[in-house]
Amino acid sequence: GENVEQHPSTLSVQEGDSAVIKCTYSDSASNYFPWYKQELGKGPQLIIDIRSNVGEKKDQRIAVTLNKTAKHFSLHITETQPEDSAVYFCAVRRGTSYGKLTFGQGTILTVHP
Amino acid sequence: DGGITQSPKYLFRKEGQNVTLSCEQNLNHDAMYWYRQDPGQGLRLIYYSQIVNDFQKGDIAEGYSVSREKKESFPLTVTSAQKNPTAFYLCASSIEPGTGVYGGANVLTFGAGSRLTVL
Repeated sequence: GENVEQHPSTLSVQEGDSAVIKCTYSDSASNYFPWYKQELGKGPQLIIDIRSNVGEKKDQRIAVTLNKTAKHFSLHITETQPEDSAVYFCAVRRGTSYGKLTFGQGTILTVHP
Repeated sequence: DGGITQSPKYLFRKEGQNVTLSCEQNLNHDAMYWYRQDPGQGLRLIYYSQIVNDFQKGDIAEGYSVSREKKESFPLTVTSAQKNPTAFYLCASSIEPGTGVYGGANVLTFGAGSRLTVL
């Protein structure tokens, strides 16, 4: 089955700095790569996603890059703010597996004011 | 407001007891899912259902059971056969691929979760 590795497991930055979280996957047939943010006591919420026919996607301060050859994708957060502090999960979907996402282990991001 | 409601938020169970976690959605989504979240392991899929009266095992279905009698409801039963049931359980739903705004991206909408502790 699909294997997704996410790094780092914890990340601490100062407000205003950038944060980068990376995920690698094993199945070359994977074609959809979302990122979810989970705040304390809440369920995860989609913040950005990318499909396999696109190399990069931006939405204000967040961006995702995809390297299909190397089978890895990354989340980039610029100008971090304390409210960005949360757990971030990457996920991968293979082909037509409908909603069967395989998630990474999660990254605890802490932004210090 | 549309969304997913999970109940109870906290649940304590004695060993050997079955418990049922409720999940209700008013988003008119066809597909529903149950994930288990453990520290350092991300989210793992327990069961999913693409349509009423049909469901499929996920990666860690042993010791769990589900039903999908109504589109809006997808309850999860944690049975006594589940060896390590203490965890945070998340229910989610999505529009079937090909019909949603993202054209098959399967954006999952999650509930707030239920934390089960076995005493």
